[in-house]
Amino acid sequence: AQSVTQLDSQVPVFEEAPVELRCNYSSSVSVYLFWYVQYPNQGLQLLLKYLSGSTLVKGINGFEAEFNKSQTSFHLRKPSVHISDTAEYFCAVSFYNQGGKLIFGQGTELSVKP
Amino acid sequence: IAGITQAPTSQILAAGRRMTLRCTQDMRHNAMYWYRQDLGLGLRLIHYSNTAGTTGKGEVPDGYSVSRANTDDFPLTLASAVPSQTSVYFCASSAGVSGELFFGEGSRLTVL
Repeated sequence: AQSVTQLDSQVPVFEEAPVELRCNYSSSVSVYLFWYVQYPNQGLQLLLKYLSGSTLVKGINGFEAEFNKSQTSFHLRKPSVHISDTAEYFCAVSFYNQGGKLIFGQGTELSVKP
Repeated sequence: IAGITQAPTSQILAAGRRMTLRCTQDMRHNAMYWYRQDLGLGLRLIHYSNTAGTTGKGEVPDGYSVSRANTDDFPLTLASAVPSQTSVYFCASSAGVSGELFFGEGSRLTVL
């Protein structure tokens, strides 16, 4: 079955510390991978995406993610977080045989404390 | 500003009532989607449309219907609302199979 799992529901960190939000997927076909961010009472906006090519993808706000095909993972990282990064983060996968529909993970709440 | 407009922003509804959530995009995207967001469950796909005139069922379609009469509009209808349909509903659009989704601001629906 095709699925997406975010391994941490909540990640509390202190400001300027590094952070990694984990995402794993299950699929027997090729995938496209996305990370979205949702600030309170807002819709989702794209942080970054992997379609093909280099497995290290850089996005907005200093975030990056690495596609690891052998481990079926797409973890999101930032070397130094800010208070403004506090938000809900969603990993999403588009499976090649699903015609562009995104399947989302359960979300990870990142809480950055001073 | 180009994007997706959803209405209403928020609604409280009595169980058994009919409700239509409106979604309009001005980006001329072919594909449109409706998701519901529930705590701990992430976003789940309700219905989608790959192009005007076609629709398909997502992960949680029961109790919902959609139509796609033209490229810009993709309304979601709850024929007879139930409390389990209390959620935040997001409309989204996409330009292509591997393209990113663009989301509206959401419609918060409470069914009592």
